[in-house]
Amino acid sequence: EAGVAQSPRYKIIEKRQSVAFWCNPISGHATLYWYQQILGQGPKLLIQFQNNGVVDDSQLPKDRFSAERLKGVDSTLKIQPAKLEDSAVYLCASSLDTGNTDTQYFGPGTRLTVL
Amino acid sequence: GENVEQHPSTLSVQEGDSAVIKCTYSDSASNYFPWYKQELGKRPQLIIDIRSNVGEKKDQRIAVTLNKTAKHFSLHITETQPEDSAVYFCAASGWGKLQFGAGTQVVVTP
Repeated sequence: EAGVAQSPRYKIIEKRQSVAFWCNPISGHATLYWYQQILGQGPKLLIQFQNNGVVDDSQLPKDRFSAERLKGVDSTLKIQPAKLEDSAVYLCASSLDTGNTDTQYFGPGTRLTVL
Repeated sequence: GENVEQHPSTLSVQEGDSAVIKCTYSDSASNYFPWYKQELGKRPQLIIDIRSNVGEKKDQRIAVTLNKTAKHFSLHITETQPEDSAVYFCAASGWGKLQFGAGTQVVVTP
């Protein structure tokens, strides 16, 4: 079974620039998550989709972050404009369903550095 | 919302010894508690999980215990090996949302 795919793996940008990340979940997984992992901390949920609908985006900084999952499969996360404090690893995860006890499988992440 | 605290932040053990990591959570509605292992520069990988209808689960050298009354759960690694060196994260899930602890850096010295 193929895992969660993400690209790019690394990105370096200047502050105030824009950046986009892409995620392809495990085939058949209805639920997709975007997490932000700052160095030395645990992952923090930014947004959760079930199919192409948003389930939870309460911790997404909506003034600069946006995400979409138009066809219920791939997803993109965008930051516009980026700030220094956005430097982090952005992890995508997927699970079969939104069940409370469903295992989440993580992708390799995109390491973002904002200069 | 849920708040998960994890201790210790770093743990150094001799190869062959046991390692114990403890987590507490705040939301009594949480009913799913996974543990992830993350090696440097790699993705978090699920190593074991426990659901609130059981108190203990074991998988070879790894075990997890859950005390719902006290709202804490622990990871036990026995007979540690150098390849166990990594950052371990506990998490708690209530209402379909995973809240992670801050992580424990485990170093196993030969």
